Amino acid sequence: AQKVTQAQTEISVVEKEDVTLDCVYETRDTTYYLFWYKQPPSGELVFLIRRNSFDEQNEISGRYSWNFQKSTSSFNFTITASQVVDSAVYFCALSEESRSSASKIIFGSGTRLSIRP
Amino acid sequence: KAGVTQTPRYLIKTRGQQVTLSCSPISGHRSVSWYQQTPGQGLQFLFEYFSETQRNKGNFPGRFSGRQFSNSRSEMNVSTLELGDSALYLCASSLAFGQLNEQFFGPGTRLTVL
Repeated sequence: AQKVTQAQTEISVVEKEDVTLDCVYETRDTTYYLFWYKQPPSGELVFLIRRNSFDEQNEISGRYSWNFQKSTSSFNFTITASQVVDSAVYFCALSEESRSSASKIIFGSGTRLSIRP
Repeated sequence: KAGVTQTPRYLIKTRGQQVTLSCSPISGHRSVSWYQQTPGQGLQFLFEYFSETQRNKGNFPGRFSGRQFSNSRSEMNVSTLELGDSALYLCASSLAFGQLNEQFFGPGTRLTVL
């Protein structure tokens, strides 16, 4: 069965510190997709990244970077030089996808990140 | 272009009533998915519609239903409301069907059941 675990319920750091949000997933499929979403106080989820199971290359986008390791079933997210605007709840998610059939997405419980000025 | 819009933004109902929530996807998007977010259960997938057909459904009772119109707008309905239905209901649209497509979320409708 699918499962996504975000063990860190809340993290609080001082601005400009680096912070890593952990995500561990479980799936029996060989083809799957992993996602990170940001939910600011306004409520709407903002898509950050999608990674398929065959692409273990790490990705960097500005201050954001993602480390995907199939060996440990982890897809961790790092914010470098954090800013107050990064304060939000971050969700990791997993989807077992088949182009020809329906898919379901499973979300982790989220990590509330607070950046203190 | 305009993002995903959801109406109403806030709603208060009492147990036993029914409610209809509306979602207008981004222009050109044909797929609409619905999610329920509660403090206890987190974010859970409700259903996905594409071309006016329900393509996928999460593990929710039959009291939760939805539909999609020819203009891709979608509604979800919850009948015989229970206290546990109090939640933020999020709608997401994407160009096509399936999770391969990036989903864009609306601000949500916060439903309170008294």
